[in-house]
Amino acid sequence: DAKTTQPTSMDCAEGRAANLPCNHSTISGNEYVYWYRQIHSQGPQYIIHGLKNNETNEMASLIITEDRKSSTLILPHATLRDTAVYYCIVRVGGNFGNEKLTFGTGTRLTIIP
Amino acid sequence: DAMVIQNPRYQVTQFGKPVTLSCSQTLNHNVMYWYQQKSSQAPKLLFHYYDKDFNNEADTPDNFQSRRPNTSFCFLDIRSPGLGDAAMYLCATSRDRQGANEQFFGPGTRLTVL
Repeated sequence: DAKTTQPTSMDCAEGRAANLPCNHSTISGNEYVYWYRQIHSQGPQYIIHGLKNNETNEMASLIITEDRKSSTLILPHATLRDTAVYYCIVRVGGNFGNEKLTFGTGTRLTIIP
Repeated sequence: DAMVIQNPRYQVTQFGKPVTLSCSQTLNHNVMYWYQQKSSQAPKLLFHYYDKDFNNEADTPDNFQSRRPNTSFCFLDIRSPGLGDAAMYLCATSRDRQGANEQFFGPGTRLTVL
């Protein structure tokens, strides 16, 4: 699986949009971009994933660049409960999927009141 | 609500004393995973079961074993815990391991080794 690079930490004001970047310059054509987050002392929680197109769900939006070498997770209206470590993971999908989620160091997002 | 349950949430054991952590799921998922997460580190996959098929990661120590007696339950056995095995142990499930299948994690069991 392709490696990812994320900033170590970020702050965001409560109520503002939090934009978390991720670089995955060696991503392959059949690899998906996944985002998980881990709130302190809890198990990781799935947020969203995408292959090529931008995706949106009730939690967040995922913007993937056209060359797929980077992506941005957007939390549109951050709340204090969004304070967590956010992991960007690249993983093979399709019928030849690799079952492993390889977590990197992630971004520690702190929402400031 | 369908979920992944881990018991106990906190487990204390003595150096070298075998310990078993348990995980159950109500999602009826085919795949169950065990991850180890040490303090201030990212989760690391130890092994997984695809149905009854056990898949070990190459760098998982022999001290760690697993059992899956049925679809709903999976156990992590640590045969002789060392101080370095103190960690959060996370169980996760997914419907399948192919395709874009998200993993659902339990709350974890924090293991302390005295």
